[in-house]
Amino acid sequence: AQSVTQLGSHVSVSEGALVLLRCNYSSSVPPYLFWYVQYPNQGLQLLLKYTTGATLVKGINGFEAEFKKSETSFHLTKPSAHMSDAAEYFCAVSVIQGAQKLVFGQGTRLTINP
Amino acid sequence: KAGVTQTPRYLIKTRGQQVTLSCSPISGHRSVSWYQQTPGQGLQFLFEYFSETQRNKGNFPGRFSGRQFSNSRSEMNVSTLELGDSALYLCASSLSGQGASYEQYFGPGTRLTVT
Repeated sequence: AQSVTQLGSHVSVSEGALVLLRCNYSSSVPPYLFWYVQYPNQGLQLLLKYTTGATLVKGINGFEAEFKKSETSFHLTKPSAHMSDAAEYFCAVSVIQGAQKLVFGQGTRLTINP
Repeated sequence: KAGVTQTPRYLIKTRGQQVTLSCSPISGHRSVSWYQQTPGQGLQFLFEYFSETQRNKGNFPGRFSGRQFSNSRSEMNVSTLELGDSALYLCASSLSGQGASYEQYFGPGTRLTVT
């Protein structure tokens, strides 16, 4: 069965610093990978996705992620953190083409220090 | 296009009661999925409906059920509520067809509190 592990339930960075949120997945078949963000009292917003093709994917708000099959990783990065990036971030995997079942990691709460 | 809408946004129920939550997908989306979010268990998949048929199901007891109507709107029902059912219930919609991009769009959720 597929699974997702997010390393670090809490990450704190200074404004302007690099943001790195780690995600490793387990899957016996090529996965579809997603990063979502959740602001307080809101639903999930898609940041970016990897399905096939280019392994470096760019998303909204300056975020990007790189799919590394050999490391089974899909880490999320942003070169320069903004205060508005403070939220909870979820990595998710879907392994069945066309199936709409996402398996989520436990989430990483990102705090931005002024 | 309007996003995914969920009603009600907040709900307080008593143990033993039942509850029905509603979800309206983005226009043109035929797949609706439901997730439960709790601090302890995180985000867990409940079930997915496509063209009025349940296509996928998570590991939840039979007290959790759902349905989808011909206009793709979906409802989920929880019977005999337990304290542990207190959670944020999220609905997501997707195109889920040939050539679709597979991403799901989430609604704001319904916060259910069971007392």
